[in-house]
Amino acid sequence: KQEVTQIPAALSVPEGENLVLNCSFTDSAIYNLQWFRQDPGKGLTSLLLIQSSQREQTSGRLNASLDKSSGRSTLYIAASQPGDSATYLCAVSRASNYQLIWGAGTKLIIKP
Amino acid sequence: EPEVTQTPSHQVTQMGQEVILRCVPISNHLYFYWYRQILGQKVEFLVSFYNNEISEKSEIFDDQFSVERPDGSNFTLKIRSTKLEDSAMYFCASSMSSSAVEKLFFGSGTQLSVL
Repeated sequence: KQEVTQIPAALSVPEGENLVLNCSFTDSAIYNLQWFRQDPGKGLTSLLLIQSSQREQTSGRLNASLDKSSGRSTLYIAASQPGDSATYLCAVSRASNYQLIWGAGTKLIIKP
Repeated sequence: EPEVTQTPSHQVTQMGQEVILRCVPISNHLYFYWYRQILGQKVEFLVSFYNNEISEKSEIFDDQFSVERPDGSNFTLKIRSTKLEDSAMYFCASSMSSSAVEKLFFGSGTQLSVL
């Protein structure tokens, strides 16, 4: 059974720092992996999607990597800003039916 | 930018009552999903829907739950007889296809409180 773990559960850093959020999964037979952002009272916003055949994806200050063989993904945020404060979730899809299996998230606080 | 719309944002109901949660997916999307998140817990998959039928459902999605696309725009989740443990944030999502390159687009959620 696929299990997704995110470390750390919470992270607080000063503005401007680069940071890395970690996601691990137990079954490497994934279809894709997505990183989401969750803001209080709002929905889940997909940030980056990495297909199982890819190693990384970039969008602006965000870079996500995938090492399927070791069951790990990282989300790198460069030059963090207070607006980046949110909970970041990773989720893996085991098949094309989009039954996503989710991590518990990392709550990120960027201090001005 | 197109978005998934969910109504209501909050729903309070008595145990045993029926509730219908409503969603308007992005107009050209073909795949629809419901997820839920109990407070303090992980997001959980409930059901996926394509071509007017359920394509997959989780063990959570028992006979108390049903989904429907009553017209060309709405996608609903019905809970027939709510239980206390149904209290959660329910998220609707849609995607254009089930391809590995397709992101899921989520609504803002309906917070369901069962008293």
